[in-house]
Amino acid sequence: AQSVTQLDSQVPVFEEAPVELRCNYSSSVSVYLFWYVQYPNQGLQLLLKYLSGSTLVKGINGFEAEFNKSQTSFHLRKPSVHISDTAEYFCAVSTQGGKLIFGQGTELSVKP
Amino acid sequence: KAGVTQTPRYLIKTRGQQVTLSCSPISGHRSVSWYQQTPGQGLQFLFEYFSETQRNKGNFPGRFSGRQFSNSRSEMNVSTLELGDSALYLCASSLDGWGSGADTQYFGPGTRLTVL
Repeated sequence: AQSVTQLDSQVPVFEEAPVELRCNYSSSVSVYLFWYVQYPNQGLQLLLKYLSGSTLVKGINGFEAEFNKSQTSFHLRKPSVHISDTAEYFCAVSTQGGKLIFGQGTELSVKP
Repeated sequence: KAGVTQTPRYLIKTRGQQVTLSCSPISGHRSVSWYQQTPGQGLQFLFEYFSETQRNKGNFPGRFSGRQFSNSRSEMNVSTLELGDSALYLCASSLDGWGSGADTQYFGPGTRLTVL
């Protein structure tokens, strides 16, 4: 069975600082990895996904993530955050024929 | 293309009542999945419908049920509501659903259900 662990429940950061949101997964088979963002009172929006190929994946709003198979990680990064990036971020994993499993979420709080 | 829509956006019910939530997927998407989101349990999978058939089910009691119509619109029903059913219910649509695993799920804004 697959599982996802988001290592930080809350990440406070100042505006224009870099940020990394950590995600580790476990699976005995090949996986597909996703990052979603949820703004207050809204549904989830896809930021980026890794299916295969290049391990560095670029997404919307300046976010990127790197797939590291040996460390079973898929950390999300942004070099300079903005107040509008304040939201909850979810890492998710799926496999062929399998369901999408979400981590518990990381609340990113960007302060001026 | 229009996104996933969910109605109503907010609902207040009392214990013991039943409720029906509706989800209209993106045009052309055949898979609709439902999730329950609560602060304590996070995002939990309820069930997935594909071409009018329930293809996958999460670990929820039988009070939670759903269906999908021929136009791919889906409804979710919760009978005999309990206080613990208060949550944000999210619907997501995709082309293939769980079939390939690589399919992106597109989420609606959710229905906020409060049970008093």
